[in-house]
Amino acid sequence: AQSVAQPEDQVNVAEGNPLTVKCTYSVSGNPYLFWYVQYPNRGLQFLLKYITGDNLVKGSYGFEAEFNKSQTSFHLKKPSALVSDSALYFCAVRDAPYSGGGADGLTFGKGTHLIIQP
Amino acid sequence: KAGVTQTPRYLIKTRGQQVTLSCSPISGHRSVSWYQQTPGQGLQFLFEYFSETQRNKGNFPGRFSGRQFSNSRSEMNVSTLELGDSALYLCASSFTPGQGAGEQYFGPGTRLTVT
Repeated sequence: AQSVAQPEDQVNVAEGNPLTVKCTYSVSGNPYLFWYVQYPNRGLQFLLKYITGDNLVKGSYGFEAEFNKSQTSFHLKKPSALVSDSALYFCAVRDAPYSGGGADGLTFGKGTHLIIQP
Repeated sequence: KAGVTQTPRYLIKTRGQQVTLSCSPISGHRSVSWYQQTPGQGLQFLFEYFSETQRNKGNFPGRFSGRQFSNSRSEMNVSTLELGDSALYLCASSFTPGQGAGEQYFGPGTRLTVT
């Protein structure tokens, strides 16, 4: 079975400060990890993913995330927050095929509201 | 390329009725997934299709079903609607052929209200 935890319902950051949105996961095999963002009244948009390779992945809009296998974490980060980054952020995971886990679909966390204050 | 389209965008149904939602993926994408989004449960995986075959199914009752056509378009059906089925239903398509590594592109969703 696979699961994702986003421990913070809301994160408040002042504009220009660095931001971190936390995500921890559990899978049986190797993880495929994703971050998505949802703006009000819009569908989800892909930000970045970790499949294999370099633990630091860079994505859209200046976001990046670091895969930490020992801590089973995949935190989303940005060096300098913008007011326009305010949105709902979702972390998602699935077991990589043939890595020992089940053939499940994508499992999402509950989401974290990111609020950037001017 | 046109994005993922879902029809209808809004729907109001009565308890006990059935409903069919439609999703057209991005051209060239062969994998389609469906999700239910509610304030209480968040985003929950319903099913995933690739080349007209259901590859994965989430933990939903048999009232929820789906299919995929040869042109990759997909439909999901909910029979005997319950109040708790009120939700935003999201469809997502992916290029990667069923291996799960591809990012998903989401449609705007169908807002279903059951009264």
